[in-house]
Amino acid sequence: GAVVSQHPSRVICKSGTSVKIECRSLDFQATTMFWYRQFPKQSLMLMATSNEGSKATYEQGVEKDKFLINHASLTLSTLTVTSAHPEDSSFYICSAGGQRTDTQYFGPGTRLTVL
Amino acid sequence: QQPVQSPQAVILREGEDAVINCSSSKALYSVHWYRQKHGEAPVFLMILLKGGEQKGHEKISASFNEKKQQSSLYLTASQLSYSGTYFCGTERDDYKLSFGAGTTVTVRA
Repeated sequence: GAVVSQHPSRVICKSGTSVKIECRSLDFQATTMFWYRQFPKQSLMLMATSNEGSKATYEQGVEKDKFLINHASLTLSTLTVTSAHPEDSSFYICSAGGQRTDTQYFGPGTRLTVL
Repeated sequence: QQPVQSPQAVILREGEDAVINCSSSKALYSVHWYRQKHGEAPVFLMILLKGGEQKGHEKISASFNEKKQQSSLYLTASQLSYSGTYFCGTERDDYKLSFGAGTTVTVRA
């Protein structure tokens, strides 16, 4: 299957700082990538859809200015959590693929802890 | 539009079987199944397309009943490695996936 990487795997930051998470598709080109958020023992909640060369599409209730998404190339999407607060602490996972019947491949996830 | 999974959790002994169900309130085009280990990202298991086909992955198989708008995942002769949380994903109207709440499977020796 396709390989998706994420960096960093874990990050701890102080409240008020910004954190950037990278998502890369290593062996295929992804015009669309997805960003999910997962709280402990809960399901995957889609935050936004990252489209190469255009603006991201955000789910209802997700603040665009707080969660900045950039899809600069067919293999890289970044999520920046701006002015992070403790309530932003979560497991952030990206995925690529998933066009209709295509498989969606997930990255290994990034554990964000905001102190 | 989130699919409903049942049961929420199941505990098995090695070698036992289990069934996980995924139901939707809307017509389904496809159902995606994933397994997630604690602290890791979900791993793809299989996709089922409408037509009632059944697929298999090792000793894990699944069926898709489009009339009933549901899919079932069958764990046969479970192994310790089958432990994890299983998620089904169904397509929303915009073709993006909506995931169920998950079913936690614990397989004990």
